[in-house]
Amino acid sequence: ETGVTQSPTHLIKTRGQQVTLRCSSQSGHNTVSWYQQALGQGPQFIFQYYREEENGRGNFPPRFSGLQFPNYSSELNVNALELDDSALYLCASSKTLGPGGNEQFFGPGTRLTVL
Amino acid sequence: AQSVTQLGSHVSVSEGALVLLRCNYSSSVPPYLFWYVQYPNQGLQLLLKYTSAATLVKGINGFEAEFKKSETSFHLTKPSAHMSDAAEYFCAVSLLLTGGGNKLTFGTGTQLKVEL
Repeated sequence: ETGVTQSPTHLIKTRGQQVTLRCSSQSGHNTVSWYQQALGQGPQFIFQYYREEENGRGNFPPRFSGLQFPNYSSELNVNALELDDSALYLCASSKTLGPGGNEQFFGPGTRLTVL
Repeated sequence: AQSVTQLGSHVSVSEGALVLLRCNYSSSVPPYLFWYVQYPNQGLQLLLKYTSAATLVKGINGFEAEFKKSETSFHLTKPSAHMSDAAEYFCAVSLLLTGGGNKLTFGTGTQLKVEL
């Protein structure tokens, strides 16, 4: 069983640029969530996708957007990059929308540095 | 709003000593609680979760946590620390989304150092 994978591993961008991060969910999972983890902090929820629709969103501006594809893989897009966007971006997948105890399986993350 | 607070951003123990990592939650309803571990340059791995089935929860790698409603706590323990336990540990609470599904709200993390 393949786990959650993310690409690229590392990325360096400059302020004002746009970036796309990619995530492949674990086999059999149809729900993908994205989190931002700034250095020395816990992960913060960005949004969740379920069957290609945004299912919930955290306190992030609209320049953070996403997509989910029919194979349940997902993209996170960030426009007009700011220095504070430098962080580890984590993708997590889960089997489906479930109760609060539904487990989320995390990928290794993409380290984004904005100069 | 539901949240978790981790006391102690850094904890240092000797190999073989008891590990105790503290987490307190704030919730008006019975919470779903999780402990995750993060090794350097890696994602998060689930250690254990509380879903109200039992107050003492056993997880992987010898870790366990006890849900104490009276103290609003969910502390993580391990009887004997190994060098391989050195990592960052996050406590999290699950919050339901309006569209169904759930999101995780994490504490700020505790860095565990294990010394010889």
